[in-house]
Amino acid sequence: AQRVTQPEKLLSVFKGAPVELKCNYSYSGSPELFWYVQYSRQRLQLLLRHISRESIKGFTADLNKGETSFHLKKPFAQEEDSAMYYCALSGRSNYQLIWGAGTKLIIKP
Amino acid sequence: SQTIHQWPATLVQPVGSPLSLECTVEGTSNPNLYWYRQAAGRGLQLLFYSVGIGQISSEVPQNLSASRPQDRQFILSSKKLLLSDSGFYLCAWSEGVDYGYTFGSGTRLTVV
Repeated sequence: AQRVTQPEKLLSVFKGAPVELKCNYSYSGSPELFWYVQYSRQRLQLLLRHISRESIKGFTADLNKGETSFHLKKPFAQEEDSAMYYCALSGRSNYQLIWGAGTKLIIKP
Repeated sequence: SQTIHQWPATLVQPVGSPLSLECTVEGTSNPNLYWYRQAAGRGLQLLFYSVGIGQISSEVPQNLSASRPQDRQFILSSKKLLLSDSGFYLCAWSEGVDYGYTFGSGTRLTVV
């Protein structure tokens, strides 16, 4: 079964510290993976896609097929990074994304 | 460029009243359209999706229905709201799932 797991509901780190938001997936094939972010009072928006291999707002995510993970990382957290983060998977077999439950990231000053 | 509009932003409705939330997309044709409910601490729940006019797929049994009367219009409805229908509803569109989704700004529905 296709599944996305974000094991942390809440992650709190200090400003300037490294951040890693965990995402593990279950999928028999080559998935396309995404990270979405929702800042306070803003709409849910795409942060980055695995296939693009971009770095957005200092965040990167590497697909590890061996560990079936797509963790989101940033070396130095900023207060404006506080938001809700969702990991999602496209199984390419239908029209849907499979979503993780989300992780709330709080950056403490 | 493509834009997605969703309204109203907030809505307070009494139990038993009807519901109609509207979503429109501009700047694209034949988009895939989606209705999600977002619950605090519980992530995103897909309610309906549509790959074309008049084509609606429902993901969960519920008190809600969806319709797509035009290519870029997606409507979420209910004949009689329940308290449990309260929540945050998101519309989204996609030109293909590998490109991800673009979300609307959401509707906060409170049923009283």
